[in-house]
Amino acid sequence: DVKVTQSSRYLVKRTGEKVFLECVQDMDHENMFWYRQDPGLGLRLIYFSYDVKMKEKGDIPEGYSVSREKKERFSLILESASTNQTSMYLCASRGKGAVRDNEQFFGPGTRLTVL
Amino acid sequence: AQSVAQPEDQVNVAEGNPLTVKCTYSVSGNPYLFWYVQYPNRGLQFLLKYITGDNLVKGSYGFEAEFNKSQTSFHLKKPSALVSDSALYFCAVRVSGGSYIPTFGRGTSLIVHP
Repeated sequence: DVKVTQSSRYLVKRTGEKVFLECVQDMDHENMFWYRQDPGLGLRLIYFSYDVKMKEKGDIPEGYSVSREKKERFSLILESASTNQTSMYLCASRGKGAVRDNEQFFGPGTRLTVL
Repeated sequence: AQSVAQPEDQVNVAEGNPLTVKCTYSVSGNPYLFWYVQYPNRGLQFLLKYITGDNLVKGSYGFEAEFNKSQTSFHLKKPSALVSDSALYFCAVRVSGGSYIPTFGRGTSLIVHP
């Protein structure tokens, strides 16, 4: 069974802290994504990566950075957490080539609260 | 450019009745369309997709969707709703040959009453 895992289901941090959210997939997928989900706004793309060490900004990259040192792992970093980054964060992966037409596989999400 | 609209924030239906969750899209080209479901405190799960071929697509858990090019719609349907279908549903679109990054709708909360 294919799987995308995220390091934490729930996380509480203080304003100004550096926060790391980790995502691991076991499907040998080239493409990985980070989204944030907020009520009434749906899913908004923060960053995506189409290969190791490659990254592209999504729709709302401000305040975030990412790291992809290994194919299976994609990390989201909040350099200095702020209260407006309180949200649900979802990681996803997808294959490339012909399977680019295929669906994304999502992790369970990390609900981050910044106090 | 690509966009997707889910015009209803919430849909209420009685158990056993048919359900429809609406989705309309806009792309400059041929669309690839997807439906996902999210149960409480969970990630999104894939339900079905339209890439090409038959306009009626069947997916998981008895759901189906019909691609209508003239109305630019891809409504999700099920003949008989279950209480366990209560969840948040997302429609997504991307244009074929484009950036391969889908755009998601804002989601529709489906509530099935016993």
